[in-house]
Amino acid sequence: DGGITQSPKYLFRKEGQNVTLSCEQNLNHDAMYWYRQDPGQGLRLIYYSQIVNDFQKGDIAEGYSVSREKKESFPLTVTSAQKNPTAFYLCASSRQPGQAWSYGYTFGSGTRLTVV
Amino acid sequence: QKEVEQNSGPLSVPEGAIASLNCTYSDRGSQSFFWYRQYSGKSPELIMSIYSNGDKEDGRFTAQLNKASQYVSLLIRDSQPSDSATYLCAVFGPSGYALNFGKGTSLLVTP
Repeated sequence: DGGITQSPKYLFRKEGQNVTLSCEQNLNHDAMYWYRQDPGQGLRLIYYSQIVNDFQKGDIAEGYSVSREKKESFPLTVTSAQKNPTAFYLCASSRQPGQAWSYGYTFGSGTRLTVV
Repeated sequence: QKEVEQNSGPLSVPEGAIASLNCTYSDRGSQSFFWYRQYSGKSPELIMSIYSNGDKEDGRFTAQLNKASQYVSLLIRDSQPSDSATYLCAVFGPSGYALNFGKGTSLLVTP
């Protein structure tokens, strides 16, 4: 079955450490997105990519980095520069960017990151 | 920053009643609108989409859109305890590149 796989489900980060969250999709979707969700908050856009080898900053990109070397993969690195990284991270994908308006997103199951 | 506003709730309704969830948005040129349901600790799942003014029905769910008032709503008929979740409104704008989400409304359906 097609879908989006995020791993790990839970991740613990020590102060000053970089960690990478994995996101893989086999839906043949062109566009991929990373959102962050804090308790009682909506989803805030970190980065998005509409095509391989291209990505754009979202509303809260500081302290994060991404890559899009393959259509299927869009990993997110939370760097030590992100001072408050504890949150629920969601990866999503959609069909061709111009069609996102008609189909919405498919979400992965999320990664819960905690600073220890 | 394009805003999507929702009442955080919690909205409490008895089982079998109609739950009404509301959302307003600031970008007048927004093209499409989505309702996602999110259970605690889980990722959002798409339950309704709407693009044109008026009503769209799918089973117990009805989405209503009024672009002149910049207002979109979700009605849930015959509410069940399993409908208890947070409902996220999401909007895709005319020059947008990604969905813009509201903070969500918490719905509690009591037996």
